[in-house]
Amino acid sequence: GDSVTQMEGPVTLSEEAFLTINCTYTATGYPSLFWYVQYPGEGLQLLLKATKADDKGSNKGFEATYRKETTSFHLEKGSVQVSDSAVYFCALSTGSARQLTFGSGTQLTVLP
Amino acid sequence: DTGVSQNPRHKITKRGQNVTFRCDPISEHNRLYWYRQTLGQGPEFLTYFQNEAQLEKSRLLSDRFSAERPKGSFSTLEIQRTEQGDSAMYLCASSDTGQAGYEQYFGPGTRLTVT
Repeated sequence: GDSVTQMEGPVTLSEEAFLTINCTYTATGYPSLFWYVQYPGEGLQLLLKATKADDKGSNKGFEATYRKETTSFHLEKGSVQVSDSAVYFCALSTGSARQLTFGSGTQLTVLP
Repeated sequence: DTGVSQNPRHKITKRGQNVTFRCDPISEHNRLYWYRQTLGQGPEFLTYFQNEAQLEKSRLLSDRFSAERPKGSFSTLEIQRTEQGDSAMYLCASSDTGQAGYEQYFGPGTRLTVT
């Protein structure tokens, strides 16, 4: 079945540091790929998406590129802020149902 | 656009009781999904509707779980004879099949605690 493997956390960085959170997937067919973010006390929010190979999703300074050859969708940001502290989830959807399959999440803490 | 809403936000119940949660999707969205999230894990898919039709329910965790979307608008998720293992966050999401990528928008969730 479909699955998503995410870099384990927690990850702690200083403000303005470079962020990478690794995500790899296994799926039948051609999935769409997503990063969702969950801020403390809030619901899941879509951060960015990519629907086909080599697409780059970007939002709020975050980027991720759909790499079919390595089945990866790593999240990057050049300079993190304290306000980026949250849990980040990588997810995929495929098939007619398009239900999301999530990774286990990566807790990011950014220190001032 | 008021977003996806869920009620109640928190529910504490005693083992063996029945509970029902409500989800109101974004008004023009024809798909509605239910997920469960336990502590430290990503959400796990349970079931989904397209309009009023429940198109996938094999992933519901047991026959104690059921969901409805009678008029293709709001949905309810019921858990009968709750068990302590049912304690989790229950999430609802909606999407529009007319939108490329079928992005799902999540509600704030209902946190269930079974004592």
